Amino acid sequence: DGGITQSPKYLFRKEGQNVTLSCEQNLNHDAMYWYRQDPGQGLRLIYYSQIVNDFQKGDIAEGYSVSREKKESFPLTVTSAQKNPTAFYLCASSTGTSRDNEQFFGPGTRLTVL
Amino acid sequence: AQSVSQHNHHVILSEAASLELGCNYSYGGTVNLFWYVQYPGQHLQLLLKYFSGDPLVKGIKGFEAEFIKSKFSFNLRKPSVQWSDTAEYFCAVNRASGYSTLTFGKGTMLLVSP
Repeated sequence: DGGITQSPKYLFRKEGQNVTLSCEQNLNHDAMYWYRQDPGQGLRLIYYSQIVNDFQKGDIAEGYSVSREKKESFPLTVTSAQKNPTAFYLCASSTGTSRDNEQFFGPGTRLTVL
Repeated sequence: AQSVSQHNHHVILSEAASLELGCNYSYGGTVNLFWYVQYPGQHLQLLLKYFSGDPLVKGIKGFEAEFIKSKFSFNLRKPSVQWSDTAEYFCAVNRASGYSTLTFGKGTMLLVSP
């Protein structure tokens, strides 16, 4: 089955610790994205990558980092510098062209920082 | 930069009632428009999209949306809702030229009572 997997579904961390969320896709998509979803805030773009070994900051990149060493994978690290890390994190991918930029979403990871 | 406004944060309807969810965007150029839906416990998925041509777009599960360029609007409609339409609905936009990421509205939570 083609799709996007995110693991784990729920993640708990202590304040001050970095944590990495995984995102893998087997859709052969060039572009991948990370969003944060908070109640009443919609989806806000954290980082995106149009192609391997390249990525750009989104609207709320502070306190986050990413890497794109493989086409299939786009891990997101939530660092201790992120002031409000508790949230629902969604990964998405698309073919990458603006014309057909339908994004496909993973199931999400709910991160709770205690 | 583009922005998206969804008029209602919460909508409550009885089964068989008609639905219209408002979406307005701000961007002076040509845009692509999307409606995504997030059913409880499920992935965010595409309901319908508009790129060009007929401004009345039909999507899955009996949903449709009309692009009115003069009003910068892309409202979602369904003539008769079902309990299974209970979900959160997101409007999104991107620029039609070049590469452009999606900008999402804050979402509308629809609750359909049986």
